[in-house]
Amino acid sequence: DGGITQSPKYLFRKEGQNVTLSCEQNLNHDAMYWYRQDPGQGLRLIYYSQIVNDFQKGDIAEGYSVSREKKESFPLTVTSAQKNPTAFYLCATSDSSGNTIYFGEGSWLTVV
Amino acid sequence: RKEVEQDPGPFNVPEGATVAFNCTYSNSASQSFFWYRQDCRKEPKLLMSVYSSGNEDGRFTAQLNRASQYISLLIRDSKLSDSATYLCVVTPEGYNKLIFGAGTRLAVHP
Repeated sequence: DGGITQSPKYLFRKEGQNVTLSCEQNLNHDAMYWYRQDPGQGLRLIYYSQIVNDFQKGDIAEGYSVSREKKESFPLTVTSAQKNPTAFYLCATSDSSGNTIYFGEGSWLTVV
Repeated sequence: RKEVEQDPGPFNVPEGATVAFNCTYSNSASQSFFWYRQDCRKEPKLLMSVYSSGNEDGRFTAQLNRASQYISLLIRDSKLSDSATYLCVVTPEGYNKLIFGAGTRLAVHP
């Protein structure tokens, strides 16, 4: 089944702990993205990667880290430096045109 | 001023109604425009691209007004299943990232 797989779907963590959200795709897309969505707000770009072994900060990268060791995988780590990590996290990919973006089903992170 | 602005709604309309949303963008050099639909607690999905000449897909019509820097989405004959949040998305010129509006919530009732 083709697409983008994010895991876990729901994650609860204590304050001060790092957590890693997984994103795997089998669409053979070069570009991958991580967005954060808070209630009543639009999606905000955290990090993006246009090619393996390369990634750039988005608009709200502080407190997050990523890696892109394989084309299929773009994991996001939410570190303890992120002040307010509770949110809905969306991983996405885009084809070579870069104009159409496809989303995974998202991961809900709650910090207690 | 936000790069992409939408009226958050909610727009509460009866089935069969025609409803229109507008979205304004601040970067006059923006080149690509889209409408995405997002259901509650789900990921956004592409509804339609917006072309300069306007385009239609069934009950949905999208239009672009570059002079006034806004795009619109018209939904005719609203169905209960149209209830969702509609996100306006813009790609600024020379910028390969998408800028999302906060969304307009539509609630269609019987």
